[in-house]
Amino acid sequence: GENVEQHPSTLSVQEGDSAVIKCTYSDSASNYFPWYKQELGKGPQLIIDIRSNVGEKKDQRIAVTLNKTAKHFSLHITETQPEDSAVYFCAASIRSGGYQKVTFGTGTKLQVIP
Amino acid sequence: NAGVTQTPKFQVLKTGQSMTLQCAQDMNHNSMYWYRQDPGMGLRLIYYSASEGTTDKGEVPNGYNVSRLNKREFSLRLESAAPSQTSVYFCASSREGNTEAFFGQGTRLTVV
Repeated sequence: GENVEQHPSTLSVQEGDSAVIKCTYSDSASNYFPWYKQELGKGPQLIIDIRSNVGEKKDQRIAVTLNKTAKHFSLHITETQPEDSAVYFCAASIRSGGYQKVTFGTGTKLQVIP
Repeated sequence: NAGVTQTPKFQVLKTGQSMTLQCAQDMNHNSMYWYRQDPGMGLRLIYYSASEGTTDKGEVPNGYNVSRLNKREFSLRLESAAPSQTSVYFCASSREGNTEAFFGQGTRLTVV
């Protein structure tokens, strides 16, 4: 089955700096790659996603890149703010047995230091 | 617009007890999911329901059962709770499998 690896597990940056989180996936048939942000005590919430026919997507300070050949995708947060502090999960989605199976990475705890 | 609502938010069970976690969504989504979240392991799929009337096993189904009562509701049942089932449980729904998933607030379950 699909395996998603996420690095780093923790990341501390100064406010205003950039943060980059990287993920790799194993199954080249994966076609949907969402990123979720989870704040303390809450459920994950989608922040950005990308499909396999797109190489890059940007939404204000957040961008995601996808390299299908290397099977890795990355989340870039620019001009970080304290409210960006949270746990971020990448995921890869693949059609399997009649449904779209989503496999999550193990998460990155981002701390933005004011 | 409540989104995905889970009950209860917290629960402590003794080993061997049973309980049902409730989940309801008001977004008219076809697909619903139950995940468990353990430290350092991300979110792992327990069961999913691609549409009303269908359910299938996910990655870690042992010790659990589910019921898709109708399009809105998807419940998770622990028949005989074990300490290994101590975790945070999330229900989620999506319009289709490869679209945004909306998560509930989670249920923190402790089995002693």
